[in-house]
Amino acid sequence: AQTVTQSQPEMSVQEAETVTLSCTYDTSESNYYLFWYKQPPSRQMILVIRQEAYKQQNATENRFSVNFQKAAKSFSLKISDSQLGDTAMYFCASTRGGSYDKVIFGPGTSLSVIP
Amino acid sequence: SQTIHQWPATLVQPVGSPLSLECTVEGTSNPNLYWYRQAAGRGLQLLFYSVGIGQISSEVPQNLSASRPQDRQFILSSKKLLLSDSGFYLCAWHRGSSYEQYFGPGTRLTVT
Repeated sequence: AQTVTQSQPEMSVQEAETVTLSCTYDTSESNYYLFWYKQPPSRQMILVIRQEAYKQQNATENRFSVNFQKAAKSFSLKISDSQLGDTAMYFCASTRGGSYDKVIFGPGTSLSVIP
Repeated sequence: SQTIHQWPATLVQPVGSPLSLECTVEGTSNPNLYWYRQAAGRGLQLLFYSVGIGQISSEVPQNLSASRPQDRQFILSSKKLLLSDSGFYLCAWHRGSSYEQYFGPGTRLTVT
C-alpha cells in the first residue's frame, strides 16, 4: 500500500530561525503531486505548498520551500524566518494512484515556534 | 471565490443515536468531494469521496455512509453511532488539474 512517512513527531524552533520538516513517500507512479498542509490549533487545514513530480524545480511560497528528491522519494519542507503563527501540525501528502483524485496523508509533525 | 462550509461545528451524541453531518461548497461546480476522519493527534483517514451527484466511493468499511443529493452538497450519516466514531470530521473539495484539496472547518464529534 502507498505510504507517506514523517519521522519527526515533534519539533521546535526559535522564532526567526529556519527549520526543516522531513517527509518520505512510497509510490509506483511516475507522475504524482505532493503537498504540505498546515493545521494550526484552530484545526483548519491550510495548503502550504504543492509540488508536481515531473517538475524538477523545487516549489517555493514566500518563507516556505521544499527540497524534492524524486529518486529518494523525499519531500522536505523548509520554513525560513519562523514566526509564532507557524506553530501547527504539518502534514505531508501525496496523490494516490494514477487518477490524482485521492490523497494519502502522513501522520504529521507538530511544530512549536518558541519566542 | 470558493468557500466550503460544514455543520455543526461540534456535536455530542449518545451511542446508538443517528448522525448527519453536512458539507456544502460555494463558488464552483461539479467538484470532487471528500469526507475524512482525524483521530486525536493523528493524520487524516479518507472515508468517502464523490465525483458527482449520487456517485459515492467508500474507502473503509464502517458504521458510516455518505450521500451527495446535490452537486455541491455532501452528507455523512450513521444510523447508530459507536464510541469509535468519535473524532474530527473534515470535508474537502477539489476541481480541475491542480489536485490540491481545500478543507472545511471540521466537525468535532464526541460519542458518549
